[in-house]
Amino acid sequence: EAQVTQNPRYLITVTGKKLTVTCSQNMNHEYMSWYRQDPGLGLRQIYYSMNVEVTDKGDVPEGYKVSRKEKRNFPLILESPSPNQTSLYFCASSLEGQGTNIQYFGAGTRLSVL
Amino acid sequence: AQKVTQAQTEISVVEKEDVTLDCVYETRDTTYYLFWYKQPPSGELVFLIRRNSFDEQNEISGRYSWNFQKSTSSFNFTITASQVVDSAVYFCALSEKATGNQFYFGTGTSLTVIP
Repeated sequence: EAQVTQNPRYLITVTGKKLTVTCSQNMNHEYMSWYRQDPGLGLRQIYYSMNVEVTDKGDVPEGYKVSRKEKRNFPLILESPSPNQTSLYFCASSLEGQGTNIQYFGAGTRLSVL
Repeated sequence: AQKVTQAQTEISVVEKEDVTLDCVYETRDTTYYLFWYKQPPSGELVFLIRRNSFDEQNEISGRYSWNFQKSTSSFNFTITASQVVDSAVYFCALSEKATGNQFYFGTGTSLTVIP
């Protein structure tokens, strides 16, 4: 089954404790992206990647890191999480290396930083 | 400045009523793409439609229709004869060819269909 898989689905952590949210897609998509969803703000793009070893900042990259060492994986790293990073996170992928294509989303990761 | 504006935060309608969700976008690019996504209460994001800037034809898919008007920079979404299953948050989004890879979502419209 074609899908975008995020793990974990739920995570509670404390301020300053490094964490990684994994994202994997099995559709051989070139483009991958991370978003955060907050009430009243919609979805905002954090980082995106057009292909392996190519990543770019979105609208809200501060406090996040990403890497794209393999085509299928695009982990989101919070080196020192803070309470304002409490949010619902979505990973997405699309076929070609552009954001102009249809994006397929993972089920989301709900993160709470205490 | 917000590139995609969904001014309606919440809408409630009674089942079988028609409802239109507004989306206004802002871009200087001549080539761009507009999208609608649905987020039901279960939380996943479901793609509904993509439209490119050169195709202003309205589209109908079952009870759903989309009205794209470049003159007013709008891409409105109408649900005809709404059903309870249409209750969800609906997001409009924009991607510009010039910047190519960045994606802009609106803040969403929460639709509640009352039985």
